[in-house]
Amino acid sequence: RKEVEQDPGPFNVPEGATVAFNCTYSNSASQSFFWYRQDCRKEPKLLMSVYSSGNEDGRFTAQLNRASQYISLLIRDSKLSDSATYLCAVNLNYGGSQGNLIFGKGTKLSVKP
Amino acid sequence: SAVISQKPSRDICQRGTSLTIQCQVDSQVTMMFWYRQQPGQSLTLIATANQGSEATYESGFVIDKFPISRPNLTFSTLTVSNMSPEDSSIYLCSVEMASGRRYEQYFGPGTRLTVT
Repeated sequence: RKEVEQDPGPFNVPEGATVAFNCTYSNSASQSFFWYRQDCRKEPKLLMSVYSSGNEDGRFTAQLNRASQYISLLIRDSKLSDSATYLCAVNLNYGGSQGNLIFGKGTKLSVKP
Repeated sequence: SAVISQKPSRDICQRGTSLTIQCQVDSQVTMMFWYRQQPGQSLTLIATANQGSEATYESGFVIDKFPISRPNLTFSTLTVSNMSPEDSSIYLCSVEMASGRRYEQYFGPGTRLTVT
């Protein structure tokens, strides 16, 4: 089993749709969780840190389910500009120096007019 | 977040040669990292660049192949030595920044390397 797994997609959705991605992790000792967005031929950009209570930033909501070892990202009211690959990343360290971020391969989202 | 730059942005190199990639940050940071992203794959950590001491390499990566320098808190280099086509990849540096009580990593724009 891979350490961090994501559905590669692609997810093809119309503008305005709500879309959700899941990411599962194998190491139950994982403490820190993140969602990154990566546009084609660009570097990953941090979208959200995922907190244990869940967190929301505008149209984006991230949730953590420790019991089932997955994190989720919900995007509401999708925009064309949301088209990208979404990477999840986990780390064993809580709060302090992160060190090794372990990434999934990413889920590709394509929002159509 | 920090402003991170990398040079070169891309290069095409012949097998057997070496390429040194530079990473510059606009502020002092304690932790800098080097990752590789091969086509269709996830990012993989190569090493942690430690200022004033030898880099810490992840399993599968060795200093002879990927020597790293970190002369100060704003700069690091990664050299890809004795290149083969399997080294064709995007190489990214990242820095760790404090965000409240937590730390977050931010990435440079990457260096796209093609080895022929």
